[in-house]
Amino acid sequence: DAGVIQSPRHEVTEMGQEVTLRCKPISGHDYLFWYRQTMMRGLELLIYFNNNVPIDDSGMPEDRFSAKMPNASFSTLKIQPSEPRDSAVYFCASSPLGGQPQHFGDGTRLSIL
Amino acid sequence: EDQVTQSPEALRLQEGESSSLNCSYTVSGLRGLFWYRQDPGKGPEFLFTLYSAGEEKEKERLKATLTKKESFLHITAPKPEDSATYLCAVQAVGTNAGKSTFGDGTTLTVKP
Repeated sequence: DAGVIQSPRHEVTEMGQEVTLRCKPISGHDYLFWYRQTMMRGLELLIYFNNNVPIDDSGMPEDRFSAKMPNASFSTLKIQPSEPRDSAVYFCASSPLGGQPQHFGDGTRLSIL
Repeated sequence: EDQVTQSPEALRLQEGESSSLNCSYTVSGLRGLFWYRQDPGKGPEFLFTLYSAGEEKEKERLKATLTKKESFLHITAPKPEDSATYLCAVQAVGTNAGKSTFGDGTTLTVKP
């Protein structure tokens, strides 16, 4: 059975460019989460959705970050404009009712030059 | 604010040398505590859920236990393939359903 699918797996781009990360959650899961992982700050929750509706975006670092979930099968995390400090591994996770346990994708390794 | 502290940050063991990882937590009311395993270049993989003090869960060489203030992940006779980062997360009663706080993890290295 397919797990959470993220694309791209790696992204290298220059400062100021727009970056779009994509996620396909597990079918039937009601919750979708976006995390960022760095050595300094560990795993940080950016935003999560329940039934396609954003519930808590308090972890989004600033207005340059935005996330959408137009339907139950797809979500995007967008950074515009990107900055070198946005370099990190970004994970998408989904979960069934209750929000746990979470099933993670393999992440997008983002490097902003 | 919910807090999760994992110790040690890193642990090196010889194959067969049993040990324990610690996860200390502070929450207003625990809804659940979760252990994950993360391999390099991969996302965290769910291992266990614990709901109440005294509860224990086992899977192969791993056993997770829970008290009112901390959880332990006991590793019995580890093998090199148990090398990974182990993450602990808590979900508190009354929080937005699904919102969990993760610790920074313990990186376990098992030498043959």
